[in-house]
Amino acid sequence: DIQVTQSPSFVSASVGDRVIITCRASQDLNWRLAWYQQTSGKAPKLLIYAASKLESGVPSRFSGSGSGTDFTLTIAGLQPEDVATYYCQKANTFPFTFGGGTKVEIK
Amino acid sequence: QVQVVESGGGLVKPGGSLRLSCAVSGFTFSDYHLSWVRQAPGKGLEFVSYISSGGSTIFYADSVQGRFTISRDNAKNSLYLQMSSLRAEDTALYYCARDPQRDDGYAFDIWGQGTMVTVSS
Repeated sequence: DIQVTQSPSFVSASVGDRVIITCRASQDLNWRLAWYQQTSGKAPKLLIYAASKLESGVPSRFSGSGSGTDFTLTIAGLQPEDVATYYCQKANTFPFTFGGGTKVEIK
Repeated sequence: QVQVVESGGGLVKPGGSLRLSCAVSGFTFSDYHLSWVRQAPGKGLEFVSYISSGGSTIFYADSVQGRFTISRDNAKNSLYLQMSSLRAEDTALYYCARDPQRDDGYAFDIWGQGTMVTVSS
């Protein structure tokens, strides 16, 4: 099975900082990768699909890029409400593996 | 208004069985593929099972293959997960999630709030 590895596992940044989270797959996913945000005690929320397409209603400070095996999620200008754990998800074929998660906190 | 409500979780002994349900409203249930995703306490997300809109295509994670059965009743707008031979490592919050079926790959755009399953003696 294709493995999906996220890094870092933890990020501490100041309000307004740019935060970059990476996701690496062990095989080519083309552009088929999704990103989710999970705030404490809540269900995950889809942020980005197809590597770079912003889900409706998601603030434009979130962006995704990449293709093949290397992908990034960027938060341009961290806000207090962005404190959450972020997950990438392999979206090309079954199994729909999730990355291990990146916890983002405010410094 | 879209609503996804899971139910059926609870405390069960190892080796026992449980049936989860997911009731959906606010979109045309029969048009969409659905999945179960779980999250063990303090851990990350784990895909469990997937069923296509008509029920003809089904996937299971290796960790539950042969023990769990996914099904749906499009007339009742409901998704199910029959779990048997439960193990301590199946303890998790189980989410029902919708695949929006875009051409750009599988993803989950609508999630319920989850139902907790605890396997313990």
